[in-house]
Amino acid sequence: GAVVSQHPSRVICKSGTSVKIECRSLDFQATTMFWYRQFPKQSLMLMATSNEGSKATYEQGVEKDKFLINHASLTLSTLTVTSAHPEDSSFYICSARAPLNYGYTFGSGTRLTVV
Amino acid sequence: DQQVKQNSPSLSVQEGRISILNCDYTNSMFDYFLWYKKYPAEGPTFLISISSIKDKNEDGRFTVFLNKSAKHLSLHIVPSQPGDSAVYFCAASGYSGGGADGLTFGKGTHLIIQP
Repeated sequence: GAVVSQHPSRVICKSGTSVKIECRSLDFQATTMFWYRQFPKQSLMLMATSNEGSKATYEQGVEKDKFLINHASLTLSTLTVTSAHPEDSSFYICSARAPLNYGYTFGSGTRLTVV
Repeated sequence: DQQVKQNSPSLSVQEGRISILNCDYTNSMFDYFLWYKKYPAEGPTFLISISSIKDKNEDGRFTVFLNKSAKHLSLHIVPSQPGDSAVYFCAASGYSGGGADGLTFGKGTHLIIQP
């Protein structure tokens, strides 16, 4: 089946630093990947759609200069949280569309804690 | 404005009985619906989906029912097993699963299966 690998699973960083999260499709090519964020007791909220070879599309209210997305290849998308602040602490999850059954496959998520 | 609503934050069901999780949506452009199961600090795991051209889809112990006129869907799990205890998310898409649209999630229902 389609597998999406997300790394790291957990990261703690100091306020003001940047953190990069990687999302890889292991056995299929993903022209489109999605980045979600989940705050405690909330639903997963779509942040942006990552398109291979072009700029990401951000949802309303998501700062594109703060959450940098790079989709440099058909198997890798990265999300960089720049100048992180404690309010950026959240659970970030990526997702990709597997081509054959159009299923959305999710990574295992990254717990970001900014101190 | 939440477009996908799961009004029950939690549901407790006895082992062996039927679990019914409900989901309502407001956006009439949604035409593809999915249910995910999620454990803490993990990404969602796909369970079952349904296209708006159907009103029922069954996969083993899981059945999803869609009532388009009421903009309501439900997930039935029968018989419920202890391993079913998790948070269940309802999600919707506007492209019949074939486009590159991200998913809109409900807030989730925590299902607890009691022995």
